Amino acid sequence: GQNIDQPTEMTATEGAIVQINCTYQTSGFNGLFWYQQHAGEAPTFLSYNVLDGLEEKGRFSSFLSRSKGYSYLLLKELQMKDSASYLCAVLDSNYQLIWGAGTKLIIKP
Amino acid sequence: GAVVSQHPSWVICKSGTSVKIECRSLDFQATTMFWYRQFPKQSLMLMATSNEGSKATYEQGVEKDKFLINHASLTLSTLTVTSAHPEDSSFYICSFKLGDSGANVLTFGAGSRLTVL
Repeated sequence: GQNIDQPTEMTATEGAIVQINCTYQTSGFNGLFWYQQHAGEAPTFLSYNVLDGLEEKGRFSSFLSRSKGYSYLLLKELQMKDSASYLCAVLDSNYQLIWGAGTKLIIKP
Repeated sequence: GAVVSQHPSWVICKSGTSVKIECRSLDFQATTMFWYRQFPKQSLMLMATSNEGSKATYEQGVEKDKFLINHASLTLSTLTVTSAHPEDSSFYICSFKLGDSGANVLTFGAGSRLTVL
């Protein structure tokens, strides 16, 4: 079956750095997405990785290792507004998005 | 670009009534769209995939007679929850498919929170 694993919840301090991991087992791979979802809102796009390596975009970076079925989202200089759920999703061989359950990130002052 | 309007944002209804959720693309056209349901603290669950002008394809366990999807044009799709019951209370999100690959594969509506009393 297809499976995406990410931690259920993480806590970090304002101004610090946090890394949210995602491991996946899917039928085929056509890219990995990270979305941010605030409570009661729809997901918003953060990043897309299809090749191995690190993609940096401001305070957020996303890393992919296809051979390991592994990705992480790195958030730097955390702000209170970064408190949200972070969803990892993989585009499989049929171009269907397979979603992880999301990681709830709690930022403390 | 790629703005999606979804409404109502939230709705409360009595058990047994029907609720229609509308999803409209404002500045683009898309052949394919998806309807998701999300229960608290859970992932997005795909309910159905619909292509403009044809019948929707429902995921296993989703009742097509209960969740009616109409995708009559390239810019508008509706989801009607018929004879809603409290267990149908959830967050419903639509998304349009912008392409087959790459970063812009999906764009989402803001979601509709349904509470059935």
